[in-house]
Amino acid sequence: AQSVTQLDSHVSVSEGTPVLLRCNYSSSYSPSLFWYVQHPNKGLQLLLKYTSAATLVKGINGFEAEFKKSETSFHLTKPSAHMSDAAEYFCVVGGPLYTGGFKTIFGAGTRLFVKA
Amino acid sequence: KAGVTQTPRYLIKTRGQQVTLSCSPISGHRSVSWYQQTPGQGLQFLFEYFSETQRNKGNFPGRFSGRQFSNSRSEMNVSTLELGDSALYLCASSLGTGVGHEQFFGPGTRLTVL
Repeated sequence: AQSVTQLDSHVSVSEGTPVLLRCNYSSSYSPSLFWYVQHPNKGLQLLLKYTSAATLVKGINGFEAEFKKSETSFHLTKPSAHMSDAAEYFCVVGGPLYTGGFKTIFGAGTRLFVKA
Repeated sequence: KAGVTQTPRYLIKTRGQQVTLSCSPISGHRSVSWYQQTPGQGLQFLFEYFSETQRNKGNFPGRFSGRQFSNSRSEMNVSTLELGDSALYLCASSLGTGVGHEQFFGPGTRLTVL
């Protein structure tokens, strides 16, 4: 069974300060992990993905995430927040199905606020 | 390359009616997935189609159904609408099904059930 927990429903940072969005997962096998961002009235955009290659994954817009198996975590970070980063972020766990399809489970989301 | 398009973007229906939503994937993409997004339940997976076959289904009642055409376009249908079906319905397409394939999301269809 798979599940994903985003530990904070809201995170507020000042522009120029680091961003940390926390995600823990549970999976009975080696998972694929993703972070998506959703800006208001827009669709979801993939930030980055982990698929059992390098544990430190770099994504778009300066975001990166580190896969830590021992902690079952996949936290999203960015060294310096920008106003345009204000959005909702989703951590996603996925894995293959015996049917040949692919199952994805979304976390509840973390809304990031960036203060000027 | 055009992105994923969903029509209509907004829809208002009344309880008991049925609705059909359409999704056109990115050209060349053969996999289409549907998700329901609500403030209370978040993003929930509905179903995934690949090459006109349903590969995976989420935990939704039989009132929710879908299909995929030979050109990979997909439709989802909700019959006997309930107030709780009010949501943003998102469609995502990918080249194939599986871990290596990034999903590209459309802007969604906002369904309001009165």
